Amino acid sequence: GAGVSQSPSNKVTEKGKDVELRCDPISGHTALYWYRQSLGQGLEFLIYFQGNSAPDKSGLPSDRFSAERTGGSVSTLTIQRTQQEDSAVYLCASSSGGDRRVQPQHFGDGTRLSIL
Amino acid sequence: LAKTTQPISMDSYEGQEVNITCSHNNIATNDYITWYQQFPSQGPRFIIQGYKTKVTNEVASLFIPADRKSSTLSLPRVSLSDTAVYYCLVVGGSQGNLIFGKGTKLSVKP
Repeated sequence: GAGVSQSPSNKVTEKGKDVELRCDPISGHTALYWYRQSLGQGLEFLIYFQGNSAPDKSGLPSDRFSAERTGGSVSTLTIQRTQQEDSAVYLCASSSGGDRRVQPQHFGDGTRLSIL
Repeated sequence: LAKTTQPISMDSYEGQEVNITCSHNNIATNDYITWYQQFPSQGPRFIIQGYKTKVTNEVASLFIPADRKSSTLSLPRVSLSDTAVYYCLVVGGSQGNLIFGKGTKLSVKP
């Protein structure tokens, strides 16, 4: 079946512009995660959605970052007034929900964001 | 807040067993440990997870000592295709820890 789909695969924009990154999770998956991976670094957790529960936003680095999940499916990560340090690969993952400690995450291949 | 530490890189040869250790000194009582594999330009892929003692599946084993302050991923008889970055993840329940290590780059040589 289809895996996690992210779009665009690459995005180049100028400093100060807003960007929107999209994630289509695996059908039926109720949990969705966003991560940031800077060049040569590990994954930095950003935000977690689970069903209708309040999202875990504890990883968002600043108020320029926000995310929505509409209808419990597609999610959009928005970065406002982009800065050069926002350049990274943004990864989305989904899982079948329930206890996030034991549900494997299924990752997309990411959006590579470059801020000029 | 739990922090994880892994070796930056490891080298091995085909057919050898590889053990990668992750330290997580501040792991919480309810946290689980999960390991992922990542190839270049791809998202990570789940390998194995555990809470304590030993877990084995068709690709790897995971050893977790009683104090749970570390975990060791064991890959038996590695091949060239196992060359990748391996991450340990400490994850708690909703609103709990969700901490990836910086990853261990494993290079398997012929």
